[in-house]
Amino acid sequence: SQQGEEDPQALSIQEGENATMNCSYKTSINNLQWYRQNSGRGLVHLILIRSNEREKHSGRLRVTLDTSKKSSSLLITASRAADTASYFCATVGSSNTGKLIFGQGTTLQVKP
Amino acid sequence: GAGVSQSPRYKVAKRGQDVALRCDPISGHVSLFWYQQALGQGPEFLTYFQNEAQLDKSGLPSDRFFAERPEGSVSTLKIQRTQQEDSAVYLCASSLALERSSYEQYFGPGTRLTVT
Repeated sequence: SQQGEEDPQALSIQEGENATMNCSYKTSINNLQWYRQNSGRGLVHLILIRSNEREKHSGRLRVTLDTSKKSSSLLITASRAADTASYFCATVGSSNTGKLIFGQGTTLQVKP
Repeated sequence: GAGVSQSPRYKVAKRGQDVALRCDPISGHVSLFWYQQALGQGPEFLTYFQNEAQLDKSGLPSDRFFAERPEGSVSTLKIQRTQQEDSAVYLCASSLALERSSYEQYFGPGTRLTVT
């Protein structure tokens, strides 16, 4: 079963704008990861944030984690048309095999 | 530096047929995962291997699903007597570290299975 929910389910913005996606989860975690999936393709790892971290940056990506609220957000700044894809958060639990538990995803469309 | 490869990319099976899906992980990756992704949904975990040992198969939906990794590299996911609800994309992922919960997973392009 899915770990939690992502919000919004779909997002459409203009090139250059920022995009924010939110993810909630249900159980305790070791880390939370964000993945991107282009239509008809596999997933690409974007960024990982550990449970003892609150914020992490990678290029135009900024991820926050609030373990008290069991939520995370992904911010993509200065979006480009090439950022159009589905974005998934995935958690790794504290005491499991490292399997990823995914959210339902946010579909982002960036209009040129 | 090849990534994770999967074959076939597309498979159409008639209900009741058996299918076998192959995954070639990145060379040297110890951990291998299978996920099932229904249309419009996030991937769902099926099973996990550490080398040749299947350490977690809690996500396999029924005893019609079977996975193996006999030599600790290539893995095969087999589905017997396919049903329409088995239609999905099957994703394979591999990971380098033994300390599994800390490392990102590298995904293959998936096999899209359609059961008619």
